[in-house]
Amino acid sequence: AQKVTQAQTEISVVEKEDVTLDCVYETRDTTYYLFWYKQPPSGELVFLIRRNSFDEQNEISGRYSWNFQKSTSSFNFTITASQVVDSAVYFCALSDITGFQKLVFGTGTRLLVSP
Amino acid sequence: KAGVTQTPRYLIKTRGQQVTLSCSPISGHRSVSWYQQTPGQGLQFLFEYFSETQRNKGNFPGRFSGRQFSNSRSEMNVSTLELGDSALYLCASSPTEGQVTYEQYFGPGTRLTVT
Repeated sequence: AQKVTQAQTEISVVEKEDVTLDCVYETRDTTYYLFWYKQPPSGELVFLIRRNSFDEQNEISGRYSWNFQKSTSSFNFTITASQVVDSAVYFCALSDITGFQKLVFGTGTRLLVSP
Repeated sequence: KAGVTQTPRYLIKTRGQQVTLSCSPISGHRSVSWYQQTPGQGLQFLFEYFSETQRNKGNFPGRFSGRQFSNSRSEMNVSTLELGDSALYLCASSPTEGQVTYEQYFGPGTRLTVT
C-alpha cells in the first residue's frame, strides 16, 4: 500500500529563514509520481510541483526547491528566505502510474512564518 | 481560465438527511476527483470520474456516491448523513492526454457540517 509520512506537524520560523519540509513515502510501484501542495488559510489546495519517479533531478523554482532521493524514498521541500505569505499547511502526495487522480496525501506540515 | 468552482461553499445538514455537492472543473478538464478532508483523517480520496465513468474509488461506504455529466461537471451525494461526515469536501480537476492524467487543480471546497 502507498503511504506518505510528513513527520513534522508544525514548524515555526522567522521571516528570511530557510526551512525544509520533509516527506518520506512508501510504495511498491517502480513508477510513481510525487506532488507538493500548499493549503493557505483560505482552504484551497494549490499545486506546487509534480515529480516523476524516473526523474531524480532536483528542481528550483524561485525561492522553492525540491530534493528527490529515491534511495531514501524522500521528496523534501525547501523554502529559501521564507516570507509571511508562505504560512500555510504543506502536503506531500503520491500517486501511481495509472493516473494522478488518486492521490495519497501525507498529514501535512503547518508552516508559521512570523515577521 | 476560470478555476475549479464548487457549490455551495458552506452547508449545514441534520443527521439522516442527504446532501448533494456540485463541482465545475476547469474548462477542458475531463477528469474530476473528490476528496474529504477532516482533522482526524486528513485528506482522503473519495472517487474520480473521467468521461462520465467512475475510474477510481476510495474506501468510503456506499452512502457516498457521485456522477459526472457530459460537460464534465460532477456531483457527489452523501445519503443518511452522520456526524462524522462533517468535513471539507474538495473537488479537483485534471487535464488529460488520452487515458493519462496530470496534476490536479483543486476548488475552494464545500464545508459540510452535520448536526
